[in-house]
This record gives sequence, structure tokens and C-alpha cells, in this order.
Amino acid sequence: AQSVAQPEDQVNVAEGNPLTVKCTYSVSGNPYLFWYVQYPNRGLQFLLKYITGDNLVKGSYGFEAEFNKSQTSFHLKKPSALVSDSALYFCAVRVRAAGNKLTFGGGTRVLVKP
Amino acid sequence: DTAVSQTPKYLVTQMGNDKSIKCEQNLGHDTMYWYKQDSKKFLKIMFSYNNKELIINETVPNRFSPKSPDKAHLNLHINSLELGDSAVYFCASSPGTSGRAYEQYFGPGTRLTVT
Repeated sequence: AQSVAQPEDQVNVAEGNPLTVKCTYSVSGNPYLFWYVQYPNRGLQFLLKYITGDNLVKGSYGFEAEFNKSQTSFHLKKPSALVSDSALYFCAVRVRAAGNKLTFGGGTRVLVKP
Repeated sequence: DTAVSQTPKYLVTQMGNDKSIKCEQNLGHDTMYWYKQDSKKFLKIMFSYNNKELIINETVPNRFSPKSPDKAHLNLHINSLELGDSAVYFCASSPGTSGRAYEQYFGPGTRLTVT
């Protein structure tokens, strides 16, 4: 079975400071990892994904994530947070054998204060 | 030119009723999904169709029945609604399932409230 953990329910950061949202996963096999963002009363929007290759993945809106196989982590980062980054962030994992089934973490609410 | 659209956006109904939620995607994708997001924002897949064929069917009560008349549409019918069905239901689509790890594109959601 595949699972994803986002250990923080909420992350608070001041505008302009670095933002990190943590994600760890558990799968049997090679994982495909994703980050999505959900703004209030909206559907999820794709940010970035890791399939293979370079462990540092760059995505939309200045976000990036680092795949760490030994720590089974895929933390989302942004060097300088904006107030508009305040939203709910979901990490997800997919294993090829499971079709395109995504298993999501519980979500982390990010609050960026001016 | 919304990529993945759902109707209705809000649905308020009484226990025991039967209701449907419609989803359409204009991205030319082969695969569509239904997800349920509960009050704690936990997101879980319910069903997935690839070219009108059911490929993922999670542990969901039989009262939920997806129907895909063509690969651009995936509707969700719910019989005998219960209070616990109150949630936000998201439709999503992706280009396919095999090989590449396709990202999924989500609709805006349908907030279902059962009273």
C-alpha cells in the first residue's frame, strides 16, 4: 500500500521568508510524487512532479521540491514567500502498478503574513 | 473555456434523495476521476475511468454509481443520500494512465450538503 504523510497541519511564515512544506511517503516500488495547491473554494492546481532524474524539481509560481530517496521525502520549498501563497498544499504519490491512482497526504495549510 | 467543469457547484438536499453531479472535460484526456474531500480537507479517490472503462473502484458504498457516456464526461449518481455523504466532490482528468506519470487536472468542485 502507498501512503503519504504531511506532518504539519499548518505552516506560518512571514512574507519574504523561505517557505518549506514537508512530505514523506511510503511505497513499494519507484514513486511518482506530486504537489498540488488548493486555494479557498477552488479545485486543486498542479504545482510540480518528480518522475525520475534530477532530485530538484522546479514548478509553477517559483516553487521547487527536492526528492530524497534515503529519507523518503519530497519537501516543497519557495525561497521567498508571498501573501498570495497562502493556501492548502497537498503532496501525493503514485505507483505505476496502481494505474494513475494518486494517494494524497492530509494537506498543510500555509499562512503567509505580511 | 474551462478545462474541467462540474455542475452543480452547490447541491443541498435531504436524506434519502437521489442526486447526480456532472463532469465534463474539454482537454481531450482519456482518463477521468472522482474524488471526495471531507470536512477535514482529506482527499480520497473514489473512481477512475479510462476511455469509458472503469479502472479504479475504491471502497465506496454501492449507492454511488459513476457513469461515463463518453470519454469527455464522467457523472456521479448517488442514491439514498446520507448525512455522511456531505462533502466536496471533485472531478479530475489526465491524459492517460500507463507509462508517464500524468498530472491530473481538477474541476472546481461540487459542495454537497445533505440535511
